[in-house]
Amino acid sequence: EVQVVESGGGLVQPGGSLRLSCAASGFTFSSYWMHWVRQAPGKGLVWVSRINNDGTDTRYADSVRGRFTISRDNAKNTLYLQMSSLRVEDTALYYCVRDAAPSRLDYWGQGDLVTVSS
Amino acid sequence: DVQMTQSPSSLSASVGDRVTITCRASQDISYHLAWFQQKPGKAPKSLIYSASSLQGGVPSRFSGSGSGTDFTLTINSLQPEDFATYYCQQYTTYPLTFGGGTKVEIK
Repeated sequence: EVQVVESGGGLVQPGGSLRLSCAASGFTFSSYWMHWVRQAPGKGLVWVSRINNDGTDTRYADSVRGRFTISRDNAKNTLYLQMSSLRVEDTALYYCVRDAAPSRLDYWGQGDLVTVSS
Repeated sequence: DVQMTQSPSSLSASVGDRVTITCRASQDISYHLAWFQQKPGKAPKSLIYSASSLQGGVPSRFSGSGSGTDFTLTINSLQPEDFATYYCQQYTTYPLTFGGGTKVEIK
């Protein structure tokens, strides 16, 4: 069974940093691109970032470029999102999502909540 | 960026109704369109990809159509478990973008 499980979220002050992790199982992690998508409370879905299967190519939304870094460790079947210079508007549920074909999202984790507040 | 516009933003329907949700892209996205269902407190679930291909395990009452800029999600004979919010999403170009969502409520 395909599973992706996020962790590392929590409360952080504006300007602070946090690293999210996503543990993958049930599929050959190293063969798949992966994404982060976020959802602010009561709002819609917003794509954040994507990494290719070997970690050599990354893409970012304009709103996070230069502040967030996506990475992966295929030996540990884990995806990461390093977030720095966090802003109140980064408060959201962050989903780890598998890419079934170039840029087609399929399996979603349950999400991890990041709250940026003083 | 490709803007995705869904309509309506919400609708009320009864069990057994046929429901249609539309999604319009601001530029040609070919057939690179997906639909997701999200229930309260849950992660989105993939329903349809490539505009009209049903994800495995999704009931056949769900169908998708369209190409280019105009797309439709149809739910035939709405069931109690179908009350949820539905999102379209384009994956022809980055940044990937989603529609604003359509909330399907019980009449």
